[in-house]
Parts: sequence; C-alpha cells; structure tokens
Amino acid sequence: SAVISQKPSRDICQRGTSLTIQCQVDSQVTMMFWYRQQPGQSLTLIATANQGSEATYESGFVIDKFPISRPNLTFSTLTVSNMSPEDSSIYLCSVFTSGMYTGELFFGEGSRLTVL
Amino acid sequence: GEDVEQSLFLSVREGDSSVINCTYTDSSSTYLYWYKQEPGAGLQLLTYIFSNMDMKQDQRLTVLLNKKDKHLSLRIADTQTGDSAIYFCAERSGNTPLVFGKGTRLSVIA
Repeated sequence: SAVISQKPSRDICQRGTSLTIQCQVDSQVTMMFWYRQQPGQSLTLIATANQGSEATYESGFVIDKFPISRPNLTFSTLTVSNMSPEDSSIYLCSVFTSGMYTGELFFGEGSRLTVL
Repeated sequence: GEDVEQSLFLSVREGDSSVINCTYTDSSSTYLYWYKQEPGAGLQLLTYIFSNMDMKQDQRLTVLLNKKDKHLSLRIADTQTGDSAIYFCAERSGNTPLVFGKGTRLSVIA
C-alpha cells in the first residue's frame, strides 16, 4: 500500500482567494490523480499529474482554475484559484502504487475546503 | 461516457449480512473496485477484482462479478456497527481513470 499525506486536512476560505493543497507520497509514483468530492456526491477526476510534463485535465476543469504542480515523483500540489462557494468540496489525491493504471488506487485522507 | 450505478441506501441489523450492488456500462472494464468512506475521512480501498475473475473473498468480504450482466456486488458477512459508512463502487478499463458510482450509505442497526 501507499501512505499519502495531504495538507491542509481542512480549511475555511474567503470567496476570491486561492488555496494550495499539498500531496506527499511515501514512494515514487509515475502518476498522481486529483479528485473532487462535492458534498453528498461521488468523486470526479479533476486532472492527472505527471512528473515533468503538464497535467492532463478532464472535461469541465481548466488549468487557470486548478493549476497543478508535480516537481518530483513523490509530491504534487493542486491550487484552487479565485474560490467561490461552489468550490466547497473535499479534494483528494490518489496514486497507483503498482505502476501506471494497474491494480490498487490509494487515496489520501482528503482536504476539506469550505468557501464562505 | 461510462456510468456506474448504485442504490443510495442500505440498512441492515448487526450480525446480518450486507449485500451492496453495483451495475456498470463499460463492457471493456478491466478492474472493479470497492471503497469505504467513513464520515470525515478519505477513501479506503477495501478490495478490487480483475475482470477475468468471478469471485474474490477476503475475510468478511466477498466480491461477486457477473460480467455478462455488468453487475458487481459486495457482501459483508456478520455486519458490525463499525461497517457503517458509504461504499463506493468504481471501474476502469485499460489506461483510463476510475469511474465512481454515487456511493451506497450502509447503516447498521444494533
């Protein structure tokens, strides 16, 4: 398994501000995934972060709103920019530990954002 | 796009078996997963099954896969109050991200 640490675990933010969420993995992984879980909803993939290249965003998510960094094989950040109350969600980082897209996908504990 | 459907709620008595069902539309699914989410927590991987398997058992958990009907189930034997949580079914095919269902909230009555 993988140990995935996210910071912050929760935060309350003001409308119009930006917040950066950090994800640290205890082993080197090729791909890291960022998901959003809106209140009472399922998980939606925001983007896939590859080390050394631009993140790949899913339909409905754009880089200007959710910039992602992936400086090395164990770390990634997701920024939620110019936040509005609709961005209140749990943001989760996840990784495959067995290689790209094989087997087990593990999640961090999530970062719970409330935007006022 | 591909879809994963689950019933939203299930209530069982402590000690009984729970069966959580899931259907999916992607006929090329390769892996199917069950995750557990307790209140205020992230997702815990419970188990997963490869699409060429019919069944997988791990202690109190039994996963059944009917690939013809695109139906996946999770059976929890001797359900305990600590099993109360939301259970998510997810699938993927090839090198694609996981597609999640909306989750089934399991309530265990003591």
